Amino acid sequence: DAGVTQSPTHLIKTRGQQVTLRCSPKSGHDTVSWYQQALGQGPQFIFQYYEEEERQRGNFPDRFSGHQFPNYSSELNVNALLLGDSALYLCASSPPGGAITEAFFGQGTRLTVV
Amino acid sequence: GEDVEQSLFLSVREGDSSVINCTYTDSSSTYLYWYKQEPGAGLQLLTYIFSNMDMKQDQRLTVLLNKKDKHLSLRIADTQTGDSAIYFCAEPFPFGGNTGKLIFGQGTTLQVKP
Repeated sequence: DAGVTQSPTHLIKTRGQQVTLRCSPKSGHDTVSWYQQALGQGPQFIFQYYEEEERQRGNFPDRFSGHQFPNYSSELNVNALLLGDSALYLCASSPPGGAITEAFFGQGTRLTVV
Repeated sequence: GEDVEQSLFLSVREGDSSVINCTYTDSSSTYLYWYKQEPGAGLQLLTYIFSNMDMKQDQRLTVLLNKKDKHLSLRIADTQTGDSAIYFCAEPFPFGGNTGKLIFGQGTTLQVKP
């Protein structure tokens, strides 16, 4: 079992561009959450997907959107990138029932906006 | 307060005990978590405590909970160089369960000197 897989591991984008980050959950998990971790900060919750629907959302602008596919994998899209969007983006998956104590995090995607 | 708060940095000698402190936001939080983040890695759930407990011990780790003061601490006995990492305390939202999103502190960087 590969655990939670995120791609790409690193990428560099220019201000104003759009980016898509991908997450494959751990086998058997059906819920995916996304977090943004700025340098020197704790992770901040972006949103959570379950049954292909956004179930909960943090305090992020509409430029941040997501999607969950029937195989439970998920994408995070960010439009009109700002320098402040530079961060480590973490994906976490959890099993049916959504227990946090059973959730696993991926290694993250490091996004740099220049 | 509205933030989960932690001291930012702790330096100890190998073999000493480390104590990392945290103040969380809501007295109705039923689960409280400690995560570890090593360079280039995602977040790993180290341990957690249920709110009806004052203390939980797991090998070298001891978690103490003071609900009155909303204070959580993590003690690492016989600290090793491999314990060098960033440690995050976190609480769930909604506060009264083990599902939903995580609210993280800023993280405490633990430096272990040989």
